[in-house]
Amino acid sequence: EAGVAQSPRYKIIEKRQSVAFWCNPISGHATLYWYQQILGQGPKLLIQFQNNGVVDDSQLPKDRFSAERLKGVDSTLKIQPAKLEDSAVYLCASSTNRGVYYGYTFGSGTRLTVV
Amino acid sequence: SQKIEQNSEALNIQEGKTATLTCNYTNYSPAYLQWYRQDPGRGPVFLLLIRENEKEKRKERLKVTFDTTLKQSLFHITASQPADSATYLCALDLNQAGTALIFGKGTTLSVSS
Repeated sequence: EAGVAQSPRYKIIEKRQSVAFWCNPISGHATLYWYQQILGQGPKLLIQFQNNGVVDDSQLPKDRFSAERLKGVDSTLKIQPAKLEDSAVYLCASSTNRGVYYGYTFGSGTRLTVV
Repeated sequence: SQKIEQNSEALNIQEGKTATLTCNYTNYSPAYLQWYRQDPGRGPVFLLLIRENEKEKRKERLKVTFDTTLKQSLFHITASQPADSATYLCALDLNQAGTALIFGKGTTLSVSS
């Protein structure tokens, strides 16, 4: 089966600019996650969708980050305006409703550098 | 607060030896614990899952143990190979239906030939 697709792979922007990331999960996976991974750290959950509804966005900095999952398939994550501390890899993952039992499938991520 | 610790940021071993990685957690009572492998520039890849009522799980050269009393999981790679060099992440669920996994920061394993 095709994996989780993410684009772009790399992005360099100046602080205060905006940026958007795109994710296409595995077909049929109801749950989609966006994780932020800062260098040397483990992935940290930003937001979790179940179909097109938000399950958990408690760690999403909502003053600058937004995410949507239209029609329960593709998702976009946006940062506006970006700060230097947003430099990280943004990972998208998807799972079946029983993801805790069968694991998540991750994309390769988007590496964001804010200068 | 809830905390996951993966002891030792880096582990260096020789080819053929057994690598043992540790994952400790506090203030959790997870129902499941998962292990992932992450290569540079790639997303994590799911390896194994172990349930709270399972003491041990094996898959080829991999073995995972789960001790809910000690709040600890051990991840073993037997007969290690240079190709096993990667970062290994443990992840726990919050034992609440529908919640996402919480990840540790990982241990980077280097296997030298």
